[in-house]
Amino acid sequence: NAGVTQTPKFQVLKTGQSMTLQCAQDMNHNSMYWYRQDPGMGLRLIYYSASEGTTDKGEVPNGYNVSRLNKREFSLRLESAAPSQTSVYFCASSEFPGTSPLHFGNGTRLTVT
Amino acid sequence: SQQGEEDPQALSIQEGENATMNCSYKTSINNLQWYRQNSGRGLVHLILIRSNEREKHSGRLRVTLDTSKKSSSLLITASRAADTASYFCATDHLGYSTLTFGKGTMLLVSP
Repeated sequence: NAGVTQTPKFQVLKTGQSMTLQCAQDMNHNSMYWYRQDPGMGLRLIYYSASEGTTDKGEVPNGYNVSRLNKREFSLRLESAAPSQTSVYFCASSEFPGTSPLHFGNGTRLTVT
Repeated sequence: SQQGEEDPQALSIQEGENATMNCSYKTSINNLQWYRQNSGRGLVHLILIRSNEREKHSGRLRVTLDTSKKSSSLLITASRAADTASYFCATDHLGYSTLTFGKGTMLLVSP
């Protein structure tokens, strides 16, 4: 009964390095999301995929790219990491966009030095 | 920004007391949801209330929604130490297909 699984749990990058955050859900949900959480800012949406084969920008997409690999998997890529991308990243999924509850993974803590 | 705002930012109570936190938003919604986040963990969905509903209960949780005032409240009755967490409201706004989260209320329940 895994739900939403994110890897890795922790990551430290140097400025300019790239990495991909992985997310997989086993609930057969149509929609998947990437949020970032910063102190005092709440959760902000980076990108989402309303259904397999579609992706859309959220509130803070700059510096990120996403891939909806299949219905289960949604990855987030940082091509050239910057200190401003130091944050906790959460992947979530829902049966339908907007109207359904979100199920969250436990997050990836990323530090960019 | 359509981000909702929770009030208060932090709340400290004793076990057995009730905890009330509020959420205000700016534009019309389809539904409003409340989530809990324990330290170092992902958010967990608590309750969803639709725009045509005024009150909803789930166990010790009671949520109200006043669309005329664009506000919602979450009441946790008979709080326990295990209720210590951050609580977030999230709004599904008309014309949008994603949720917008507030900044959260940190609740501390002391034994």
